[in-house]
Amino acid sequence: KQEVTQIPAALSVPEGENLVLNCSFTDSAIYNLQWFRQDPGKGLTSLLLIQSSQREQTSGRLNASLDKSSGRSTLYIAASQPGDSATYLCAVLMDSNYQLIWGAGTKLIIKP
Amino acid sequence: SQTIHQWPATLVQPVGSPLSLECTVEGTSNPNLYWYRQAAGRGLQLLFYSIGIGQISSEVPQNLSASRPQDRQFILSSKKLLLSDSGFYLCAWSPDRGNSPLHFGNGTRLTVT
Repeated sequence: KQEVTQIPAALSVPEGENLVLNCSFTDSAIYNLQWFRQDPGKGLTSLLLIQSSQREQTSGRLNASLDKSSGRSTLYIAASQPGDSATYLCAVLMDSNYQLIWGAGTKLIIKP
Repeated sequence: SQTIHQWPATLVQPVGSPLSLECTVEGTSNPNLYWYRQAAGRGLQLLFYSIGIGQISSEVPQNLSASRPQDRQFILSSKKLLLSDSGFYLCAWSPDRGNSPLHFGNGTRLTVT
């Protein structure tokens, strides 16, 4: 059974720092991995989608990497800003049944 | 461009009352539609998904049901709410089942009293 883990559960850093959020999964038979952000009381916003054949994807100050064989993905945020404060969730799409399995998220606080 | 609308934003209902949450998507046709529930500090739980009108798959047996009366309309219902139905309900859509990300509505905060 696929399990997706995000560590740490919460992270607080000063503005301007570069930071890395981690996502690990137990079953490497995935179709893709997706990163989302969620603001308090709101829905989720898609950030990046990495297909299983890809190693990384970039969008602005965000870079997501995928190492399928080791079951790990990282989301790198460069030059963090207070507006980056949110909960970041990763999810893997299973090859077998196209079900998305979610991590519990990392709550990120960027201090001005 | 495509947009997704979900309402109401908040809802307080007594135990045993019925429920109807509605979700509509604009700007696309034949979307895959999803209902999720999110509990505090936990990952999202898929409740139902639909790949077409009248085609509903249930992932979690419970007292909730879903319907898709029109191509871009997805409804989550219950005949009698339980206290355990309280939570944050999210509707989402995608154009396919693997190559595109999910797009979410703003969610409904349901409190059953």
